[in-house]
This record gives sequence, structure tokens and C-alpha cells, in this order.
Amino acid sequence: EIVLTQSPGTLSLSPGERATLSCRASQSLNINYFAWYQHKPGQAPRLLIYGSSSRAAGIPDRFSGSGSGTDFTLTISRLEPEDSAVYYCQQYGSSPLCSFGQGTKLEIK
Amino acid sequence: QVQLQQSGPGLVEPSQTLSLTCAISGDSVSSSSAAWTWIRQSPSRGLEWLGCTYYRSKWSNNYAVSVRSRMTINADTSKNQFSLQLNSVTPEDTAVYYCARLNTEGTTRHFDNWGQGILVTVSS
Repeated sequence: EIVLTQSPGTLSLSPGERATLSCRASQSLNINYFAWYQHKPGQAPRLLIYGSSSRAAGIPDRFSGSGSGTDFTLTISRLEPEDSAVYYCQQYGSSPLCSFGQGTKLEIK
Repeated sequence: QVQLQQSGPGLVEPSQTLSLTCAISGDSVSSSSAAWTWIRQSPSRGLEWLGCTYYRSKWSNNYAVSVRSRMTINADTSKNQFSLQLNSVTPEDTAVYYCARLNTEGTTRHFDNWGQGILVTVSS
């Protein structure tokens, strides 16, 4: 069973700084089946990155994804106050068919 | 633009059946480029994929091992919606339940549209 482990658990940064969020898989993943989501309280999760590095429609270019194999990274450059949220990585296609990481909480000071 | 509208009760008694519906607009439940999915979120389990239904010449379902014996997902083509039934619920099933579209077009797989979420509390 594939387990996705995100780090850090919480990240506290100031506006304008760069955030680097990590997701490590217990087994090698198909990069086409890897995505990142932003989740704010009271809202549905929002797709940010799919296929490991493709930005979803309407997502600012401050958000970028990279990685392959077992290590994936979400980078948010030039943080803005509205980036405060929990960020989840997600894989599809391996047992279990779909799974999410436990999330990284990003706080903007 | 695809929109998913969820409906269903927010309170279910223990041992009863949790039933939710997700109405689709802007796409078809029979789409060959989608799998219609239920996901839940709770403080103890985080985001948990529950299962999906999809049509590829025939209807198919996939369920998470943790709920497979208790869950049924059905599609209703006449109403362009899909539903979740979870039997024999316990307080551990208390969560925010989301429906979502898994986009299966091309070579990638990702959830690009989500319902608004419904908090379902299992309590007497």
C-alpha cells in the first residue's frame, strides 16, 4: 500500500517569501497520476497542480510542482496572505486506488 | 463549466444508512472522461478516498477497502447524478463528505471539480 508523507506539518512564513512543500511516497509513482490541492476552511479542495507539474486552470504561476519517483515538491513563490491553507498531495492508480497525504498547513504571518 | 451540487441529511443515527446525492451540471455522469467519486475528510483520517463509479461501455465501481463491505455508489442517468450509500454507520463515519470528478481525459488523473461538501454527523 502506498503511503504519502508530507513535510513539514506546519509552515509559517511571511508574505513575499517562498514556500517549499514536500511529499514523499513509499513507492515510486506515475507522475501523470500525481496532484496537489489547496484546501481552505469551509471550502472544497481546489486543484493546483496535476501531472506532477502542470498548473490547473486559473492557478497563478506563483505555484509550481516538480518531482518524480518518490519525491515531489510544491513551491509557492512570493507568498500572499490568501495562500494560507492546508495543502495536500494525492496519487492515483496504485494500491490503494487513490490516496492523499496528511497535509501541510501553511500559515502566512 | 462543471458544477457538482451535493444534497443529503447532516445527521444520521448509529447503525443507520448514510445517503448522499451529487447532481452534475456541465458534464454527463456517463462521460467516458470522468470517474465520479466520493471523498470524505475527518480530523482523524484526513482526506480519504471512498470510491467511484464510471461508465466505459458498462458501469463499474471501485471502493476503498475500508468501506467496501458497507458502501454502494450508484449513477442515475435520468437525473444526471450519482449517489452514495454507507450502511451501518458509526460515529467514526462522522466527516465532511465531498463528491468530485476524477478527470480521466488524456494521460493524467486528477480531481478537477468538487462539490461543496456536507458535514455528516453520526449521533443519536
